[in-house]
Amino acid sequence: GAVVSQHPSWVICKSGTSVKIECRSLDFQATTMFWYRQFPKQSLMLMATSNEGSKATYEQGVEKDKFLINHASLTLSTLTVTSAHPEDSSFYICSARDDMVLYEQYFGPGTRLTVT
Amino acid sequence: AQKVTQAQTEISVVEKEDVTLDCVYETRDTTYYLFWYKQPPSGELVFLIRRNSFDEQNEISGRYSWNFQKSTSSFNFTITASQVVDSAVYFCALSDPRNNDMRFGAGTRLTVKP
Repeated sequence: GAVVSQHPSWVICKSGTSVKIECRSLDFQATTMFWYRQFPKQSLMLMATSNEGSKATYEQGVEKDKFLINHASLTLSTLTVTSAHPEDSSFYICSARDDMVLYEQYFGPGTRLTVT
Repeated sequence: AQKVTQAQTEISVVEKEDVTLDCVYETRDTTYYLFWYKQPPSGELVFLIRRNSFDEQNEISGRYSWNFQKSTSSFNFTITASQVVDSAVYFCALSDPRNNDMRFGAGTRLTVKP
């Protein structure tokens, strides 16, 4: 079956630093990937839609200068949290849409970010 | 606008009981997809089912069954003879097939006690 990986699975960083999270589709091509954020005991909230070769589309209220998204290839999207603050601590989940089966969206295992 | 409501925040049952998780959705689209996911403590989402808006047939998979009713905009999930391993947060989600924009409900935390 289709597999999406995320790296790292967890990361601890200090306030003010930046951290990059990778999302890869391992056995299919994904022109479109999605980034979600999940705070403890809450639901998944869509942050942005990442499109290969073009700018990401951000949901209302998500700061595009803080959450930089780069979708440089058909199998890789990265989310960089810049100048991280403790309130950015969250569980970040990506998903990838299979280019061959457009209604299928596969989720990665998530990345737990803690900002101290 | 699309919206998914899971009114049950937490449910606790004793093993072997049947339990139904409710999901009500709102959408103006005639074509859409509905999903259920399980999220165990590890955090990774586990896909359970996808149903498109034109297929109202109920589905059974082992101890799991789903009841899709367009007339009431509901897509309920029943676990029969629950087990401790069923303990998790369950999310219902609605997707627009034009852009795969997926909206999740708030989730229902299910605890199955031995």
